[in-house]
Amino acid sequence: KAGVTQTPRYLIKTRGQQVTLSCSPISGHRSVSWYQQTPGQGLQFLFEYFSETQRNKGNFPGRFSGRQFSNSRSEMNVSTLELGDSALYLCASSPWGGRDTGELFFGEGSRLTVL
Amino acid sequence: GENVEQHPSTLSVQEGDSAVIKCTYSDSASNYFPWYKQELGKGPQLIIDIRSNVGEKKDQRIAVTLNKTAKHFSLHITETQPEDSAVYFCAARGSQGNLIFGKGTKLSVKP
Repeated sequence: KAGVTQTPRYLIKTRGQQVTLSCSPISGHRSVSWYQQTPGQGLQFLFEYFSETQRNKGNFPGRFSGRQFSNSRSEMNVSTLELGDSALYLCASSPWGGRDTGELFFGEGSRLTVL
Repeated sequence: GENVEQHPSTLSVQEGDSAVIKCTYSDSASNYFPWYKQELGKGPQLIIDIRSNVGEKKDQRIAVTLNKTAKHFSLHITETQPEDSAVYFCAARGSQGNLIFGKGTKLSVKP
């Protein structure tokens, strides 16, 4: 079974630009969560999608948004990039998510550098 | 807000020694506590988890203990090996269902 696939793996943007990251979950998994990983803050929860609906959201500004498609693939978008948005963005899938969350299966992440 | 504190941030041990990482959580309603291992260039991977109705769980050289009264849980790795070197994250399930992670412990096992 293929794992969680994230694209692109690396990207460089400049301040003020926007970026879209993509995540393909494990086949059959309906929940996709996104986390931001930085050296100082660890893994911080961005949002969770289940059956195309955002089920849960972390404490990030509105510049961070996401969506999920009918095939469970998910995208996240960051608009008006700031230097502080430089991070590894991790996507994780699970069969059900929410309060039924058991194991999360993480992708290898998309490393975003904002110059 | 909901929070998970993890200590130490770095840990260096000799091969064959034991390693212990400790976490505390703030939400008394949390009922699921996983531990993830992240190797360089990879995403975190679950190594062991424990639910609130259990006090201890073992899987070969890895064990996790949970004290719900004190709201803390620990990861114990015995007979450490160089391949155990990685960053370890503890987590607790928050009231909304999402996992809240600690800031990680970088474990170095010296041969």
